[in-house]
Amino acid sequence: QQQVKQSPQSLIVQKGGISIINCAYENTAFDYFPWYQQFPGKGPALLIAIRPDVSEKKEGRFTISFNKSAKQFSLHIMDSQPGDSATYFCAASKSGYSTLTFGKGTMLLVSP
Amino acid sequence: DTAVSQTPKYLVTQMGNDKSIKCEQNLGHDTMYWYKQDSKKFLKIMFSYNNKELIINETVPNRFSPKSPDKAHLNLHINSLELGDSAVYFCASSLGGDRTEAFFGQGTRLTVV
Repeated sequence: QQQVKQSPQSLIVQKGGISIINCAYENTAFDYFPWYQQFPGKGPALLIAIRPDVSEKKEGRFTISFNKSAKQFSLHIMDSQPGDSATYFCAASKSGYSTLTFGKGTMLLVSP
Repeated sequence: DTAVSQTPKYLVTQMGNDKSIKCEQNLGHDTMYWYKQDSKKFLKIMFSYNNKELIINETVPNRFSPKSPDKAHLNLHINSLELGDSAVYFCASSLGGDRTEAFFGQGTRLTVV
């Protein structure tokens, strides 16, 4: 049972464009939703995270949108740059259980 | 200073061997984890330790045995290695409980031949 479903599997965006990655979760007990960025040969690095008490969180060019009723959340990367080319993972966890359940990842390529 | 460090970065070994991966964190976190990333890049939790105590074991074969000598270290020992164990293993740490911001090491790429 895949508890966090992520799409698309891969994404090509032109420099300056908007990259959008979507995730859906099943477990209503989840209450923490981070996004991780992973470059080849490196470990995942926390990019931005949200809790269900807000519908949107923005940090620089990165924005999380959260829809609690639909059990969906998404990552928007504004003004995408070639340096943003990486694999992005959404994840979820629930209070008291600090382990993360990850989506399957999205490989983003930003073309110059 | 590296926050979560793992050694070795690469490990190539034959089937049937026993190997260990070491992990250390200097963030003062209470909780440490081992995650496995398979060839399709899927990340899955293996173990979670809080203050040296095992709190989560996600149906991992008992050939895998984590050991935490103190709360800054979490090592992973693997007995009788199999081809299917080939993967990237990540150590991570967090403050624990509701403080779930996890910091990952750079990974250990294990190849079993």
